[in-house]
Amino acid sequence: EAGVAQSPRYKIIEKRQSVAFWCNPISGHATLYWYQQILGQGPKLLIQFQNNGVVDDSQLPKDRFSAERLKGVDSTLKIQPAKLEDSAVYLCASSQPLGGYTFGSGTRLTVV
Amino acid sequence: GENVEQHPSTLSVQEGDSAVIKCTYSDSASNYFPWYKQELGKRPQLIIDIRSNVGEKKDQRIAVTLNKTAKHFSLHITETQPEDSAVYFCAATVSGGGADGLTFGKGTHLIIQP
Repeated sequence: EAGVAQSPRYKIIEKRQSVAFWCNPISGHATLYWYQQILGQGPKLLIQFQNNGVVDDSQLPKDRFSAERLKGVDSTLKIQPAKLEDSAVYLCASSQPLGGYTFGSGTRLTVV
Repeated sequence: GENVEQHPSTLSVQEGDSAVIKCTYSDSASNYFPWYKQELGKRPQLIIDIRSNVGEKKDQRIAVTLNKTAKHFSLHITETQPEDSAVYFCAATVSGGGADGLTFGKGTHLIIQP
């Protein structure tokens, strides 16, 4: 079974620039999540999709972060404009109902 | 929302000894409690999980216990080996449909001393 694919693996941008991350979940997994993991902390949920609908985006900073999953498969997460405190690893995960959550390798973002 | 506290933040044990990591949660509706191992620069990997209808689960050297009344759960690793060195995260959620994103603890850095 192929895992959760994410790209790019690394990204360095200047503050106030924009950036986008891409995720392709495990085939057949209807639910997709984006997490932010700041160095030394546990992952924090940003947004959850069920197919192409948003289930939970209560912790997404909507003034600068946006995400979409137009066809219910792959997803993009965008930050515009980026701040220094957005430096983190952005993890995508997918799951089946009552199944385990599988994480991708993440995108490490550095904002300078 | 859910809040998960994890202790200790760092745990150093001698190779061959046991390690115990403890977590508490705040939402009594939470019913799924996974544990993840994360090595430096890598993705979190599920090592064991437990659901609220079970009090204990074991998989070789790893076990998890759950006390629903006290709202705490623990990870037990026996006969620790150097490859067990990593950061371990506990998490909790209400699983079974709807908003079921995981709430994570802050992590425990487990160091296995040779």
